[in-house]
Amino acid sequence: SAVISQKPSRDICQRGTSLTIQCQVDSQVTMMFWYRQQPGQSLTLIATANQGSEATYESGFVIDKFPISRPNLTFSTLTVSNMSPEDSSIYLCSVLDPTGPDTQYFGPGTRLTVL
Amino acid sequence: RKEVEQDPGPFNVPEGATVAFNCTYSNSASQSFFWYRQDCRKEPKLLMSVYSSGNEDGRFTAQLNRASQYISLLIRDSKLSDSATYLCVVSVASSGSARQLTFGSGTQLTVLP
Repeated sequence: SAVISQKPSRDICQRGTSLTIQCQVDSQVTMMFWYRQQPGQSLTLIATANQGSEATYESGFVIDKFPISRPNLTFSTLTVSNMSPEDSSIYLCSVLDPTGPDTQYFGPGTRLTVL
Repeated sequence: RKEVEQDPGPFNVPEGATVAFNCTYSNSASQSFFWYRQDCRKEPKLLMSVYSSGNEDGRFTAQLNRASQYISLLIRDSKLSDSATYLCVVSVASSGSARQLTFGSGTQLTVLP
């Protein structure tokens, strides 16, 4: 499976600021995704990061709040904009395994706390 | 109704016990099925895919019943290292080119010495 890294691994931020999370994969992948996991909850898909075009957002998530970049097949960023304490969560990127139908592998996550 | 429902547990079992987790899904068009495990403060990791014929990987056996929209995971001879949250995951068609994964809320397992 692909090796996925995320930076930063954790951060504590002030309300109203923005944080950009990076996701790097050690091989080219067609599909990358961004998820949120709020405390004590399961994963919720934020968006699919599309290479060379705008991300596809799920219901309840908008580009102004969570802008995403995908400049190439190994890298993506998620920005959490104008943060509030409700954005405190773990943010995970994942990639689609090209060998298995629908299988996704996850990065280690970014633990965000907003004060 | 949640798209993927699991008993949240917690399940506390002694080492060596057999434990079973159940999961139901609401979308009959779901295509692929998985069990992931998530250790505390870690990312989810694929445990196994689930096939209609049932499949086994060592001490782990997964079953799928499409008619009942039901998935199960059986762990035999539990080890302390099996302590984790087990996530039931199904894929459904999306508007994009890839099917989306929908995650259950997870079942927490603690194996006691």
